[in-house]
Amino acid sequence: GAGVSQSPSNKVTEKGKDVELRCDPISGHTALYWYRQRLGQGLEFLIYFQGNSAPDKSGLPSDRFSAERTGESVSTLTIQRTQQEDSAVYLCASSHQRTGQETQYFGPGTRLLVL
Amino acid sequence: LAKTTQPISMDSYEGQEVNITCSHNNIATNDYITWYQQFPSQGPRFIIQGYKTKVTNEVASLFIPADRKSSTLSLPRVSLSDTAVYYCLVGGSGNTGKLIFGQGTTLQVKP
Repeated sequence: GAGVSQSPSNKVTEKGKDVELRCDPISGHTALYWYRQRLGQGLEFLIYFQGNSAPDKSGLPSDRFSAERTGESVSTLTIQRTQQEDSAVYLCASSHQRTGQETQYFGPGTRLLVL
Repeated sequence: LAKTTQPISMDSYEGQEVNITCSHNNIATNDYITWYQQFPSQGPRFIIQGYKTKVTNEVASLFIPADRKSSTLSLPRVSLSDTAVYYCLVGGSGNTGKLIFGQGTTLQVKP
């Protein structure tokens, strides 16, 4: 597609439920990133994929968070047993390479609300 | 990654030039300086990137002094649609490419 897409755009769930967030990066981009943005805050890095491998998972806040990428394309971020503090916008970005100089293209985000 | 410091908010009026300065005292030799713009309910969007001196594109200019410990994003003749949060980021030398965002500068352009 023309840009990074994410689904769903909005998700409301109950505390304790699992959620899956999807990211479709720009075709051909080998690097894929997940970030979290709480209301009024900057973005927090969660995880980085190079191809289907995740060499940097340092930002995942707990073992309830996991992510995978298949076919060097689609990525899914899963949050198990959601908590109210998980409420945030989850943003996905992709780029050609993994260097910081490379422009990252962001999707519109998934707004997650945990009740 | 180098920490950045920028003003939390700025106000301007349509047609004015806006300059947002970012401090990055611990910038590494190979680090680049990149600015992103974020509108409400959207993901950040790349604006401009530079290493030293001055860079200009169709959207903005970026001024970087010789010591590279700060940088200034210049937006010429802003309009209401330039109201957004502007993030200054420093990095790119040998890391995974993850971006470290601060709180950014919220620019409010008034009519």
